[in-house]
Amino acid sequence: GESVGLHLPTLSVQEGDNSIINCAYSNSASDYFIWYKQESGKGPQFIIDIRSNMDKRQGQRVTVLLNKTVKHLSLQIAATQPGDSAVYFCAERDTGGSYIPTFGRGTSLIVHP
Amino acid sequence: DAGVIQSPRHEVTEMGQEVTLRCKPISGHNSLFWYRQTMMRGLELLIYFNNNVPIDDSGMPEDRFSAKMPNASFSTLKIQPSEPRDSAVYFCASTQRRENQPQHFGDGTRLSIL
Repeated sequence: GESVGLHLPTLSVQEGDNSIINCAYSNSASDYFIWYKQESGKGPQFIIDIRSNMDKRQGQRVTVLLNKTVKHLSLQIAATQPGDSAVYFCAERDTGGSYIPTFGRGTSLIVHP
Repeated sequence: DAGVIQSPRHEVTEMGQEVTLRCKPISGHNSLFWYRQTMMRGLELLIYFNNNVPIDDSGMPEDRFSAKMPNASFSTLKIQPSEPRDSAVYFCASTQRRENQPQHFGDGTRLSIL
């Protein structure tokens, strides 16, 4: 989930397990959501996005679920690999409003071989 | 395709010096964003441009910070004079301003002000 204070929430998993990273968003008018992956020393990298008229979208080994009722977004990573270790950010955007995305604080995923 | 290109990747300088960070957005993108990332505050939007025009600079912390976009393929973020509290990673991102288009980020400039 989103961080409180200075420390990022951390999810530790074993290689091969499935990972679920959660994100609570705040703006009920947000209609576009994006997940980013940030590896050490690099910029955030786009993973997958979803519009508010969908509740599920699948990519390669990743699935994003959107629950607008409770303003909750999740990223599921299947068969997690050591290369998936990174900080994951969700971002929300109201495409009819300010257009600027709001980023969460991130979740650190650690995958143990 | 080349992504967003930022330079330098690392910058170490003494306080009081002028610092200039550079960004080349993805060709064809018409919106450009400058962000600052720290452990304390996460990812903060400093300023963004549409079609080379600054739209919102309310995130720029002080008058010491300025940004320009003289053309569609180049932007600078300048800090003058720099202070130790400006130490952070600065990211540039670009996108095609349409619905449902994500931002694409460069790999950032790690700035250390001594």
